[in-house]
Amino acid sequence: DTAVSQTPKYLVTQMGNDKSIKCEQNLGHDTMYWYKQDSKKFLKIMFSYNNKELIINETVPNRFSPKSPDKAHLNLHINSLELGDSAVYFCASSPPGLAGSYHVDTQYFGPGTRLTVL
Amino acid sequence: GDSVTQMEGPVTLSEEAFLTINCTYTATGYPSLFWYVQYPGEGLQLLLKATKADDKGSNKGFEATYRKETTSFHLEKGSVQVSDSAVYFCALSDKFGNQFYFGTGTSLTVIP
Repeated sequence: DTAVSQTPKYLVTQMGNDKSIKCEQNLGHDTMYWYKQDSKKFLKIMFSYNNKELIINETVPNRFSPKSPDKAHLNLHINSLELGDSAVYFCASSPPGLAGSYHVDTQYFGPGTRLTVL
Repeated sequence: GDSVTQMEGPVTLSEEAFLTINCTYTATGYPSLFWYVQYPGEGLQLLLKATKADDKGSNKGFEATYRKETTSFHLEKGSVQVSDSAVYFCALSDKFGNQFYFGTGTSLTVIP
């Protein structure tokens, strides 16, 4: 019954490798996000997709490429991993805002994927 | 641009102490405001929210009031428990985009 799920939960890999993190939500939401949380718990948005369309693409290296095969899935592929990519990556989703409002409603977060690059 | 500033931690309190975590915001228009909580090893969960000025959000004994005049949304709890130990994030949802702005998080440790 998990609302937002991510796999894997832990990922340990060598520098230079390519890896993917998968995210799925069963809430029927239109919008999904990827966040990066560093060791100091600072949370930075990376990407946002709405109905499979990219709507936010913050300044992240182009080694990071999101892919949304359908509106329930948003995967994150990372090429040529670097030490600085070590972090916890969170997927999130949100429903449309209230009618007549532009506000993003509550975001629902996955459990996170702890990526360690050696 | 829009932003959220919250008090730096870490904060350490004894059980049953009163908690305040300050949060102020900068936004064009009238954002929605949120507090999220992150327990160790978990993702963020919504704790409470307020969508317009003077609204009070409350949940699990926590409260926060949307103060437009002071652009603040301070989190309070009258008597904390050990189980409240977590990182707390203030956030806002802007009026025009599809984006949340999170504060830097405040780590709370409650000791018995």
